Amino acid sequence: DAKTTQPNSMESNEEEPVHLPCNHSTISGTDYIHWYRQLPSQGPEYVIHGLTSNVNNRMASLAIAEDRKSSTLILHRATLRDAAVYYCILRDAINAGNNRKLIWGLGTSLAVNP
Amino acid sequence: GAGVSQSPSNKVTEKGKDVELRCDPISGHTALYWYRQSLGQGLEFLIYFQGNSAPDKSGLPSDRFSAERTGGSVSTLTIQRTQQEDSAVYLCASSWTGGPTYEQYFGPGTRLTVT
Repeated sequence: DAKTTQPNSMESNEEEPVHLPCNHSTISGTDYIHWYRQLPSQGPEYVIHGLTSNVNNRMASLAIAEDRKSSTLILHRATLRDAAVYYCILRDAINAGNNRKLIWGLGTSLAVNP
Repeated sequence: GAGVSQSPSNKVTEKGKDVELRCDPISGHTALYWYRQSLGQGLEFLIYFQGNSAPDKSGLPSDRFSAERTGGSVSTLTIQRTQQEDSAVYLCASSWTGGPTYEQYFGPGTRLTVT
């Protein structure tokens, strides 16, 4: 199963951009890259997903490397509310069973300084 | 609109007792997932329901764990003869379908403490 690796923690200042990296060197051609975040004492929240092209939505941008072996979640202006654990996950488009058995890693804990 | 709701939000039980955790998914969502998150850990898949298909129970850690989904909506996760290692936050999520491009909407979780 394809796995992802993320830094344990990162720190940012309020109103500055944040780039959260994720390595997925064993990604297959049909794996979608998903990002979720989990605020303290809450369930995870969907942020963004992509396959090959960069993606933008109201929450963030997702930059995917040309070889797809890594991706970066970009928060354009961090706010205190963005302090959370960010998870990078691969979801298999062919074998849905693999997705369900996926154990989410520890993610990156983002601290935002005022 | 209403999101995924779970009840109770907190549950403290004695070792050996049975517990039931409830999940109300978003109306119209055909896929429903249960996960477990132990302290400081990532999410661990437990069970998946998709429409009227047989559930995928492959993540259930033992036969003490079971779940059902009635009428394609509300789901109940039951843990029999609870053990201290069952202490965790139990999260429910739903999505339009189980496909890889559909986002999962999570509830706030039920924090289970087994004493």
